[in-house]
Amino acid sequence: DAGITQSPRHKVTETGTPVTLRCHQTENHRYMYWYRQDPGHGLRLIHYSYGVKDTDKGEVSDGYSVSRSKTEDFLLTLESATSSQTSVYFCAISSGGNEQFFGPGTRLTVL
Amino acid sequence: ELKVEQNPLFLSMQEGKNYTIYCNYSTTSDRLYWYRQDPGKSLESLFVLLSNGAVKQEGRLMASLDTKARLSTLHITAAVHDLSATYFCAVDIKGGADGLTFGKGTHLIIQP
Repeated sequence: DAGITQSPRHKVTETGTPVTLRCHQTENHRYMYWYRQDPGHGLRLIHYSYGVKDTDKGEVSDGYSVSRSKTEDFLLTLESATSSQTSVYFCAISSGGNEQFFGPGTRLTVL
Repeated sequence: ELKVEQNPLFLSMQEGKNYTIYCNYSTTSDRLYWYRQDPGKSLESLFVLLSNGAVKQEGRLMASLDTKARLSTLHITAAVHDLSATYFCAVDIKGGADGLTFGKGTHLIIQP
């Protein structure tokens, strides 16, 4: 299995609080991605990174920001969590032009 | 905007039967991926299809890609209970650089 970890694996928070999810890889892959999975929607891309300090928006980026200061870490921040951001968040990595490998996921509940 | 449609979204079938899941997409692409997801788990890569006419097989699953028709199929032969899962197709239109667009998934239940 690709070396991808996500932390925390589960989190419950309250509306309006900031939340940061971490994705860590040991594969030295250039590309990293954040998706959210919701019933009836499949997976939707939030943000992605194509290198250190290089990031771009995906399909559902509103309310989210990301940072990548090191190759191995990609952080997803919800500046002020809302109930609509309750979801399962998956990180993925890729060497580019090939399949993506997914982390174990983080289940986030916003009350 | 790229749209990826899978059908059916739900499928209940008996062991030993054959069936096909379809994945249609709206924009030209020659890169398509199939993933499997078990309940509460992450996504597992099944097949990578990188050219028109590509066909890949693994056990009772076979995937194919027709880029002219913008269609991929995942065929299940002589289904067994262990194949029960949700299957996703995903399309890449820019060489993998900016993420995948997923279908909504096909929830497959195989009954003994």
